[in-house]
Amino acid sequence: EAGVTQFPSHSVIEKGQTVTLRCDPISGHDNLYWYRRVMGKEIKFLLHFVKESKQDESGMPNNRFLAERTGGTYSTLKVQPAELEDSGVYFCASSQEASYGELFFGEGSRLTVL
Amino acid sequence: QKEVEQDPGPLSVPEGAIVSLNCTYSNSAFQYFMWYRQYSRKGPELLMYTYSSGNKEDGRFTAQVDKSSKYISLFIRDSQPSDSATYLCAMTQTLIQGAQKLVFGQGTRLTINP
Repeated sequence: EAGVTQFPSHSVIEKGQTVTLRCDPISGHDNLYWYRRVMGKEIKFLLHFVKESKQDESGMPNNRFLAERTGGTYSTLKVQPAELEDSGVYFCASSQEASYGELFFGEGSRLTVL
Repeated sequence: QKEVEQDPGPLSVPEGAIVSLNCTYSNSAFQYFMWYRQYSRKGPELLMYTYSSGNKEDGRFTAQVDKSSKYISLFIRDSQPSDSATYLCAMTQTLIQGAQKLVFGQGTRLTINP
């Protein structure tokens, strides 16, 4: 069974440009999460989808960040326009509805904003 | 003040040693406590989770939660070079419908020397 896959693994962009990160969760997992780790800090929650609906987006830093989950399958996280402080590693994770304690993480998308 | 405090290390021990990793937290509403292991350039993977206070053992790993002191620990017995990784503590208030808005510690980088 394939795990959580994320694309791209690394993206380098200029300040002011747009970047879109993609996450494909494990098949059948209704819950999809985005987390972010900026340099030297802890991993922080961004938002949570249940199927195609945003359940909790309290961790989204500002309106430059837009997350979508088309048809309850894959998800995208768009940053527009990117700022220097957006640099970090963006992790996607998924879990089954009735899962306790088992979040499956992808390998992350590393974003560098110059 | 951070909700979860974890010494980032690095921590270096000889093979076979007992390793003790710790986190403290400030939010008394946390009920679920996890330990994740993250290898370089990979996503976090769940090692163990516990609910409320007490001990839980899984092979060479023991997780301990003391809610009265707001302190959790992970012990690794007979440590192996393959245990070298970053260990992240994480916790959350509730797991309703698989919702896991985890709060992470910064992670402790551990190296086991052969």
